[in-house]
Amino acid sequence: NAGVTQTPKFQVLKTGQSMTLQCAQDMNHEYMSWYRQDPGMGLRLIHYSVGAGITDQGEVPNGYNVSRSTTEDFPLRLLSAAPSQTSVYFCASSFHRRVQSPLHFGNGTRLTVT
Amino acid sequence: EDKVVQSPLSLVVHEGDTVTLNCSYEVTNFRSLLWYKQEKKAPTFLFMLTSSGIEKKSGRLSSILDKKELFSILNITATQTGDSAVYLCAEPSNTGNQFYFGTGTSLTVIP
Repeated sequence: NAGVTQTPKFQVLKTGQSMTLQCAQDMNHEYMSWYRQDPGMGLRLIHYSVGAGITDQGEVPNGYNVSRSTTEDFPLRLLSAAPSQTSVYFCASSFHRRVQSPLHFGNGTRLTVT
Repeated sequence: EDKVVQSPLSLVVHEGDTVTLNCSYEVTNFRSLLWYKQEKKAPTFLFMLTSSGIEKKSGRLSSILDKKELFSILNITATQTGDSAVYLCAEPSNTGNQFYFGTGTSLTVIP
């Protein structure tokens, strides 16, 4: 099983550029989410989705867009990259309707904005 | 205000030592508390503690939940260099739509 797959693994952008981080899962999970991880800040939720066609904001949504057209895919779009968005991004998924369901993480994307 | 607070921030021990990592959390309609291990890449799931499962054990790792005092501990006995990692705890929101993570405890095990 592939689990949660993120691409790319590394990316360097210039300020103002846009890009899409890809996330796909093959576990039929209803719930998918994006986190960013910064030193001393822990994992912070950007956006999440509880099913196809449904998305909502997390703790730090500004500067990011998401969509969920299928159960499997949950891309994260950076509209106009800023140095403050330099971070490691993780996609995670779980069975939302089951109380006892942990998050499964992808291997992350390390993004640098210059 | 942080919902999940972990301590200590970092810990350096020698192989064979026993360590205890702490996690305190807030609760409104408690659902569960989760522990993860993060090495160089993705956090990997260790334990989930719930109202019906307040103690979990897997090999040298064990965890307990104190719902009255709102904290959990993760114990690692006979530590090995492979235990070196950041250990994260997390609590889901009362809707289950968001998970709140602590900043983690960085454990270094010296040979």
